[in-house]
Amino acid sequence: KQEVTQIPAALSVPEGENLVLNCSFTDSAIYNLQWFRQDPGKGLTSLLLIQSSQREQTSGRLNASLDKSSGRSTLYIAASQPGDSATYLCAVREASGSRLTFGEGTQLTVNP
Amino acid sequence: SAVISQKPSRDICQRGTSLTIQCQVDSQVTMMFWYRQQPGQSLTLIATANQGSEATYESGFVIDKFPISRPNLTFSTLTVSNMSPEDSSIYLCSVEAITMRGVSTDTQYFGPGTRLTVL
Repeated sequence: KQEVTQIPAALSVPEGENLVLNCSFTDSAIYNLQWFRQDPGKGLTSLLLIQSSQREQTSGRLNASLDKSSGRSTLYIAASQPGDSATYLCAVREASGSRLTFGEGTQLTVNP
Repeated sequence: SAVISQKPSRDICQRGTSLTIQCQVDSQVTMMFWYRQQPGQSLTLIATANQGSEATYESGFVIDKFPISRPNLTFSTLTVSNMSPEDSSIYLCSVEAITMRGVSTDTQYFGPGTRLTVL
């Protein structure tokens, strides 16, 4: 059974700092990995999708990497802003089927 | 991408009653999913709903408790039946977006969620 772990559970940083969120998964037979953002009381916003054959994806100040063999992904946020404050979730999709298995998220607070 | 709306956005219900949640997508999609997010926890897949066939339920979820309809390629409903306080959660609909040619983009998009409180 696939298990996804995110570290740290919570992170508080001053505005402008670069930061890294970590995601690990137990079964490396994945199809892809997706990073989401969830604002309080809201749904999920897709940030980045990395296919299993890819090493990284970039969108603006966000960069996600994937090391499938070691079961790890990182989300790098450059020059953090207060608007980045949210819970960040990673989810892996199995090689068979469309089920996403989610981590428990990292709650990020960026202080002005 | 896909724009997803859910109704209701929130509700407070009495124990033993049922609530039907609607999910509407702005484009035709093949696969729709229903997730549950219990307080302080991450998301858990309840079932996958494909048009024209019965939903496929994950371990721990049954059709009698969570009946699902998928009448067309843009709409689905999830009913939470005979509710108890343990059913208090956010219920989220998601879809796998497809291109104009009907090819999957492999990206899942989520609706805003329905926050359910059962007293």
